Amino acid sequence: SQQGEEDPQALSIQEGENATMNCSYKTSINNLQWYRQNSGRGLVHLILIRSNEREKHSGRLRVTLDTSKKSSSLLITASRAADTASYFCATVLTGGGNKLTFGTGTQLKVEL
Amino acid sequence: EAGVAQSPRYKIIEKRQSVAFWCNPISGHATLYWYQQILGQGPKLLIQFQNNGVVDDSQLPKDRFSAERLKGVDSTLKIQPAKLEDSAVYLCASSIQGFGPQHFGDGTRLSIL
Repeated sequence: SQQGEEDPQALSIQEGENATMNCSYKTSINNLQWYRQNSGRGLVHLILIRSNEREKHSGRLRVTLDTSKKSSSLLITASRAADTASYFCATVLTGGGNKLTFGTGTQLKVEL
Repeated sequence: EAGVAQSPRYKIIEKRQSVAFWCNPISGHATLYWYQQILGQGPKLLIQFQNNGVVDDSQLPKDRFSAERLKGVDSTLKIQPAKLEDSAVYLCASSIQGFGPQHFGDGTRLSIL
């Protein structure tokens, strides 16, 4: 079953704009992770945010976590054509070891 | 650092045939995962190994799927017999221990005719 649901399902923006993707989940988590998947490739880990953290940055990425609303957002600033990919949130449940439960993903297209 | 290696990259078989996938994780990674990713969906965990022991296989269809990691390094996933609904990408991932980021291979795309 899918724990996380991303919104929107698809997003098309111009190069240089910011892209925001949202993820909602259902049960208590230990941490939440964001992954990127280019077409025909495996997933690449982007960032991990723990349940006691509210915000993390990594380069052009900013992730927020609101455990009271059971939601997270991923912001990519100054997007580039190379950012075109599918983005997935994945949750590790409290007491769930390192089992990742992925959402349905957001397809991001960055146009020149 | 070499990444997670998977083979083959593509496989086409007919339903009721058998198929096997191979994965070699990043050197030193104790935990290995197999995921199934159906088109348009996120990956779903099939089985997780810690060294050569199974940690979680709750979503593995055990009547047709099997996996092993005999020496605690590389792993094979087998489907026998295959069904049409098994058409998917099979991804292998590894992590240093049973926590933290997972590193994925590029997967095997399986098509069932």
